[in-house]
Amino acid sequence: GIQVEQSPPDLILQEGANSTLRCNFSDSVNNLQWFHQNPWGQLINLFYIPSGTKQNGRLSATTVATERYSLLYISSSQTTDSGVYFCAVDPPNTDKLIFGTGTRLQVFP
Amino acid sequence: GAVVSQHPSWVICKSGTSVKIECRSLDFQATTMFWYRQFPKQSLMLMATSNEGSKATYEQGVEKDKFLINHASLTLSTLTVTSAHPEDSSFYICSATRGRDSPLHFGNGTRLTVT
Repeated sequence: GIQVEQSPPDLILQEGANSTLRCNFSDSVNNLQWFHQNPWGQLINLFYIPSGTKQNGRLSATTVATERYSLLYISSSQTTDSGVYFCAVDPPNTDKLIFGTGTRLQVFP
Repeated sequence: GAVVSQHPSWVICKSGTSVKIECRSLDFQATTMFWYRQFPKQSLMLMATSNEGSKATYEQGVEKDKFLINHASLTLSTLTVTSAHPEDSSFYICSATRGRDSPLHFGNGTRLTVT
């Protein structure tokens, strides 16, 4: 099956710093989503981005489907950005969403 | 829009008992619902795919007789953990979608502890 790897696995930042999270996938996909899981376990949709670039406030994402990767940019990080960031992909001919390995982000004041 | 409600948010039960978890799409009709399990510090692992009015499709290694899934309507799917054991303790999360090419929306999860 498709492999979805995220890097880095862990990231520690000081408030105000910028960061880039990467998601690599081993096969073509129909769709890709980015999620933030907060410390209480809630999963929040960040982006639905099968290709191209989208921005939402301090966050932006770019997916290059032909090269099988996606990037999530966090600018001017805040302590509330802490948590785990997951990308998830929807392979062709399935209805499944397969999750990546995750990046655990800790932002300190 | 696109709110998914999951209940209960946490449950503690004794070994051998059964636990039912509900997942509802509040403001849209969900043709497909998914059930995931997440162990501490790990990613979400898909357990099964549930389509309204038909039998669930289970992922390899997931016991269908232990994890009973019912998708009785376009807004409700249930997961029943039967004869629960301590190793079933985990965080269970449901998700729902209007259909292919639509974003997936998640419930807030259920933390199950089996003593």
